[in-house]
Amino acid sequence: DAKTTQPPSMDCAEGRAANLPCNHSTISGNEYVYWYRQIHSQGPQYIIHGLKNNETNEMASLIITEDRKSSTLILPHATLRDTAVYYCIVLGGATNKLIFGTGTLLAVQP
Amino acid sequence: GAVVSQHPSRVICKSGTSVKIECRSLDFQATTMFWYRQFPKQSLMLMATSNEGSKATYEQGVEKDKFLINHASLTLSTLTVTSAHPEDSSFYICSAGSHLNYGYTFGSGTRLTVV
Repeated sequence: DAKTTQPPSMDCAEGRAANLPCNHSTISGNEYVYWYRQIHSQGPQYIIHGLKNNETNEMASLIITEDRKSSTLILPHATLRDTAVYYCIVLGGATNKLIFGTGTLLAVQP
Repeated sequence: GAVVSQHPSRVICKSGTSVKIECRSLDFQATTMFWYRQFPKQSLMLMATSNEGSKATYEQGVEKDKFLINHASLTLSTLTVTSAHPEDSSFYICSAGSHLNYGYTFGSGTRLTVV
């Protein structure tokens, strides 16, 4: 299984873009990058996923480097409700199990 | 779409008793469901994979006789914590695959407190 590395915490000002990095240097060609977030005492929430192209949905954008060894989740206009732990997970190939790392605690400041 | 319902949301039980947690996929069929446990200020830890119509697959270090999993239908998986002790107090979360987003949808979790 490919492992991911994320900074333990980040701050962001309300209304600004939040850019959350993730390293996944051992990712395989058929593995996807998934992003989830967990607001305190709730189940994780799916945000976005991608294989090699950049992706955008109503919640966020996902930028994957050309070599696929890292990616960045972008929340374009962070709000206080975006304060959560964000998890970058690699899924696919030989495994169908979501294995959570330690994630990044994003604190959006007013 | 892609809703996973988990019940109960909170439960308090006495030490030595058993507790059953239900996980239902409301608008899709789930041949596979996953059960996680989360201790305070820690990440989610995968406990087991629940397979419809067959035995669950447990992660290393998880006692299968302690955490009984039943996946009798395509929409329901249950986790029973048997002979619960205070150290089993935790946040238990289930998830199921969704054809809608190719990922997994999570339940809202169950806070178990054993006294």
